[in-house]
Amino acid sequence: DAGVIQSPRHEVTEMGQEVTLRCKPISGHNSLFWYRQTMMRGLELLIYFNNNVPIDDSGMPEDRFSAKMPNASFSTLKIQPSEPRDSAVYFCASSFRTPIEAFFGQGTRLTVV
Amino acid sequence: SQKIEQNSEALNIQEGKTATLTCNYTNYSPAYLQWYRQDPGRGPVFLLLIRENEKEKRKERLKVTFDTTLKQSLFHITASQPADSATYLCALQQQAGTALIFGKGTTLSVSS
Repeated sequence: DAGVIQSPRHEVTEMGQEVTLRCKPISGHNSLFWYRQTMMRGLELLIYFNNNVPIDDSGMPEDRFSAKMPNASFSTLKIQPSEPRDSAVYFCASSFRTPIEAFFGQGTRLTVV
Repeated sequence: SQKIEQNSEALNIQEGKTATLTCNYTNYSPAYLQWYRQDPGRGPVFLLLIRENEKEKRKERLKVTFDTTLKQSLFHITASQPADSATYLCALQQQAGTALIFGKGTTLSVSS
């Protein structure tokens, strides 16, 4: 398996634009997580899906952020409108069992100017 | 408030020595505690998991301890090598069905 696949790897956008990050989890995994990593705050959980259903979205910063998982093999994280403080590395991870052993993608480095 | 603290941002040791990294948590009662390794520009990679009823876990040169009374985990790398240089993250899972919560990590540098 190719592992968790995220796209794009890098994204530079202007403030106010819409940004969509994409994730393909490992086949057979039933849990999917979106995290955001910055130097100041470390790795923060944004949202957790289980069997395509959002279980915990308490980490989503505000209404500008939304996440979807229309099927077991695809998820998106959308930011609209984007702001400079959203600049970070966004990671997607998937898992197939409890306790969780998370498999992370390579991340998307987002820069909002 | 809930906190996960890893002892220091950076740890520098000489090759061959044992590296010891600390993870302390406040206002959590984790059922599981994990350690991950992260290299620059890459996502974290799972290393070890320890359950609340386990005191110690070993895997090759790695050892993890879990003290639920002290609310602390120690992560040891014995006979350290320059290739062990990376950031190590502690992660808690409160119970089945909840997500992993991560500490900020400790960056380990092993010099030859």
